[in-house]
Amino acid sequence: ETVMTQSPDTLSVSPGERATLSCRASQSVSSNLAWYQQKPGQAPRLLIYGASTRATGIPARFSGSGSGTEFTLTINSLQSEDFAVYYCQQYSNWPPLTFGGGTKVEI
Amino acid sequence: QVQLVESGGGVVQPGRSLRLSCAASGLTFSTYAMHWVRQTPGKGLEWVALIPYDGSSKFYADSVRGRFTISRDNSKNTLYLQMNSLRAEDTAVYYCARDAEQWMVVAPYFDHWGQGTLVTVSS
Repeated sequence: ETVMTQSPDTLSVSPGERATLSCRASQSVSSNLAWYQQKPGQAPRLLIYGASTRATGIPARFSGSGSGTEFTLTINSLQSEDFAVYYCQQYSNWPPLTFGGGTKVEI
Repeated sequence: QVQLVESGGGVVQPGRSLRLSCAASGLTFSTYAMHWVRQTPGKGLEWVALIPYDGSSKFYADSVRGRFTISRDNSKNTLYLQMNSLRAEDTAVYYCARDAEQWMVVAPYFDHWGQGTLVTVSS
């Protein structure tokens, strides 16, 4: 099983600043990595797939990078609606499909 | 737009069974693989099961294999999860999710999610 590790657990950021979230895979997943955003009481929402491709309707301030085992989600100029929990998910080595433990972005 | 609506959750005793449903609309249901993903209270996400567009094969997480069965009825645009021999650790919100790619499942990730249904396993 490919274990996904996200860091940090919690990231405290001020509105307008940049947030950088990390995701590490226990073995290479190539570029088969997705990022999701989840707000309290809501289902996750797809942000990024293929490590760097924004999903439909996702603002350009969200960007993803990386390949192999190291990935980064960057949120530029944080807006109030961006405070949420972010998960990475690998879809290279499956089953099982595996998620990271999440990073909470808080004010 | 795509809508996925789960139902069937509730409180159930350990060892008992429950069947979840996911009604899909706004998509050509029969052309997409579908998944169940669960989230334990206050915790992260765990993929549970996958069924291709035609139901020809099924994939499960180790934690549920042999106890849970995923199925679909393309004539009713509905996905199911039959959960048997439930355990306390199965307590979670269960989401159905659409695979992002039509037809063949090669690199599965999720582009649409339902709002989830809560399953509580407790005596």
